Amino acid sequence: QVQLVESGGGVVQPGGSLRLSCAASGFTFSSYGMHWVRQAPGKGLEWVAFIRYDGSNKYYADSVKGRFTISRDNSKNTLYLQMNSLRTEDTAVYYCAKGGDYMDVWGKGTTVTVSS
Amino acid sequence: QLVLTQSPSASASLGASVKLTCTLSSGHSSYAIAWHQRQPEKGPRYLMKLNSDGSHNKGDGIPDRFSGSSSGAERYLTISSLQSEDEADYYCQTWGTGIWVFGGGTKLTVL
Repeated sequence: QVQLVESGGGVVQPGGSLRLSCAASGFTFSSYGMHWVRQAPGKGLEWVAFIRYDGSNKYYADSVKGRFTISRDNSKNTLYLQMNSLRTEDTAVYYCAKGGDYMDVWGKGTTVTVSS
Repeated sequence: QLVLTQSPSASASLGASVKLTCTLSSGHSSYAIAWHQRQPEKGPRYLMKLNSDGSHNKGDGIPDRFSGSSSGAERYLTISSLQSEDEADYYCQTWGTGIWVFGGGTKLTVL
């Protein structure tokens, strides 16, 4: 079945870096756009970044532009999110999701905590 | 600016029906949206894509109890025969060129 499994979350100090991964299975990964979406404690869902199926276009929320980089390796069926210059407000559960205009399959998330 | 507005909370009794509303910002009333459910301690789940004419495409395995409808800038999610597992947060989501937006979410309590 279609599955997305995130990993790479953890505790990091402000200003630090972290790389999240999302392993995809059960569908032709190289044919679909992919998103990262996050949910901070007590808050709603916030879209973070999108990458087209072939990696040719990438889009970011203003809140992460210039600090986060989305990428993908279609040979490994894996999506990535490189997060640099992390801030306390980046603390959240990070979800990867399959889709273009809308997210039609979601992972279970990985938790990122930015704290000194 | 593309914005989605949802009521923060809603409640209904077990076995009853509830209609959740998502309102598109001015100038965006023709936009399609998607509805997503987030149950406690679980990842989000895609429910359906809902077009401005009320037509909708549900995700795999979504029960017939879940339906969508539209009127002007309003997009609705109706859940009938409410079950305890329907207690969750419901988010609407839309998109533009290079931007994706979520509503603030509605917390549904099943009484």
